[in-house]
Amino acid sequence: EAEVAQSPRYKITEKSQAVAFWCDPISGHATLYWYRQILGQGPELLVQFQDESVVDDSQLPKDRFSAERLKGVDSTLKIQPAELGDSAMYLCASSLGRVATEAFFGQGTRLTVV
Amino acid sequence: SQQGEEDPQALSIQEGENATMNCSYKTSINNLQWYRQNSGRGLVHLILIRSNEREKHSGRLRVTLDTSKKSSSLLITASRAADTASYFCATSTGANSKLTFGKGITLSVRP
Repeated sequence: EAEVAQSPRYKITEKSQAVAFWCDPISGHATLYWYRQILGQGPELLVQFQDESVVDDSQLPKDRFSAERLKGVDSTLKIQPAELGDSAMYLCASSLGRVATEAFFGQGTRLTVV
Repeated sequence: SQQGEEDPQALSIQEGENATMNCSYKTSINNLQWYRQNSGRGLVHLILIRSNEREKHSGRLRVTLDTSKKSSSLLITASRAADTASYFCATSTGANSKLTFGKGITLSVRP
């Protein structure tokens, strides 16, 4: 069964360092989402791609976060510099097309900033 | 920003009982979806209901949608211990199908 792949699963980084997360969506899925989930809360949308284009990044802290999806396939989310408050689960999800369908989630990357 | 808001925040029931969870939202939607998350894992899609639908069934799940009240409910019948998880409603909105999640409901099913 096709899955959304994320790496790494866990990441510990020091404050002010750079960190990057990678996501490989299900093949053929045009829409890719990055979410941040703080423990005990719901996922918060950071950025949404349609193919290689960003269609929503209204909640992305653009002074330190960046995201790209070159060639409209896999994607990278970067934080530089990391802050203590960035500790959270970072979830990637993909869905088939522009018309809203179910989203498939990866297992996430648990980030701890020390 | 959160579009959907679930109620109650936490629910504890006995195995075999039914669990009802509610979700309210603020703006017009393309569809509403429910997801489950087991501790520390990714989310799993449960069911999707479109804005022009009123009720949908999938196995032990029943979801209703009332667009006039901007609310939805998820019913899990004959609950099992394995249903213990967090449940989230998510609304799809706008031309780009932005998917926004609520804060979630923690369901505990006691054996």
